[in-house]
Amino acid sequence: GDSVTQMEGPVTLSEEAFLTINCTYTATGYPSLFWYVQYPGEGLQLLLKATKADDKGSNKGFEATYRKETTSFHLEKGSVQVSDSAVYFCALINTNAGKSTFGDGTTLTVKP
Amino acid sequence: DAGVTQSPTHLIKTRGQQVTLRCSPKSGHDTVSWYQQALGQGPQFIFQYYEEEERQRGNFPDRFSGHQFPNYSSELNVNALLLGDSALYLCASSLRPPDEQFFGPGTRLTVL
Repeated sequence: GDSVTQMEGPVTLSEEAFLTINCTYTATGYPSLFWYVQYPGEGLQLLLKATKADDKGSNKGFEATYRKETTSFHLEKGSVQVSDSAVYFCALINTNAGKSTFGDGTTLTVKP
Repeated sequence: DAGVTQSPTHLIKTRGQQVTLRCSPKSGHDTVSWYQQALGQGPQFIFQYYEEEERQRGNFPDRFSGHQFPNYSSELNVNALLLGDSALYLCASSLRPPDEQFFGPGTRLTVL
């Protein structure tokens, strides 16, 4: 079945540091890929998405590129802020199956 | 435009009881999916409803059942509650075929 593997956390960075959160996936067909962010006590918010190979999703300074050859969708940000502290989830939607599969999440803490 | 709404926000039940959670999808969306998110984990797919029928189901026992109404809203029912059912229950809505899903804030269920 489909699966998503994220780098284990937690990740602690200083403000303005570079962020990378690794994500790899296994899926049949050509899934769409997503990054979601979850703040404490809240639901999931879509951060960015990519629907086909080589697409780059971007939002609020975050970027991720759909790499079919390495089955990866790593999340990056050039300069993190304290307000970026949250849990980040990588996910895929297999349009054949119609359901989302999530990774276990990576907790990011940014210190001033 | 109201997004996905869920009720109640929090719920406390005892083992063996039954619970019903409710979800109203984002305006214009006709597909509702339910997820269970245990503490420190990613959301796990329970099932998906479209045209008032269950279309996809994850690896959850028959104690978990649902319903979709003609106005696309949905209910999740859990019978014979177990301590392990304590989790955040998330509802997500989308269009068919499903692509981007919009999540509600969730219902926090505690089973004592």
